[in-house]
Amino acid sequence: DSGVTQTPKHLITATGQRVTLRCSPRSGDLSVYWYQQSLDQGLQFLIQYYNGEERAKGNILERFSAQQFPDLHSELNLSSLELGDSALYFCASARDFGTEAFFGQGTRLTVV
Amino acid sequence: AQSVTQLDSQVPVFEEAPVELRCNYSSSVSVYLFWYVQYPNQGLQLLLKYLSGSTLVKGINGFEAEFNKSQTSFHLRKPSVHISDTAEYFCAVSKDSGYALNFGKGTSLLVTP
Repeated sequence: DSGVTQTPKHLITATGQRVTLRCSPRSGDLSVYWYQQSLDQGLQFLIQYYNGEERAKGNILERFSAQQFPDLHSELNLSSLELGDSALYFCASARDFGTEAFFGQGTRLTVV
Repeated sequence: AQSVTQLDSQVPVFEEAPVELRCNYSSSVSVYLFWYVQYPNQGLQLLLKYLSGSTLVKGINGFEAEFNKSQTSFHLRKPSVHISDTAEYFCAVSKDSGYALNFGKGTSLLVTP
């Protein structure tokens, strides 16, 4: 158990819908990363937050957004969902810069 | 930008045999290198990392990797594999240890009796 909690574990939804994925980082970790894992694209970095502020952006679509709240948990919002958004979404957290990132077990999103 | 190439998508190996999973990176700046393992239906777990210092890095579960700057490689090795090592292995690079990781496509290691 990495200490990073992601909910829900599985999510099935229809095209055009909007979903929210939640991540609770390890206690005391300030940095949260979101990654998408799909068969065709592999593991791709989406976005990073540090202590509530956006720090880095990767290949995140405009339909996707994220935030980190004062209690440091983070949410990834996916809207206008398409079949191609079906993937495993991982959250990772780290104590600070220069420290190891721990991954959650992921949320498997299926868009039908 | 940094990128990673994992040269083998699948590596089948017999139990107790040695294994090497290859990883090459490209970067115009100094990088930090990582190997992660993903067991079926689980998240990623850090095996080992190279940040600086000795080029031979030892990790968990008997794995080690060697950073070779001239060949821009960071190959993962284990002298004797177990059935339980069957998993997906990802090489990753970051321009800083606090920055996001760029992952390779992964290598599926299949250990058979």
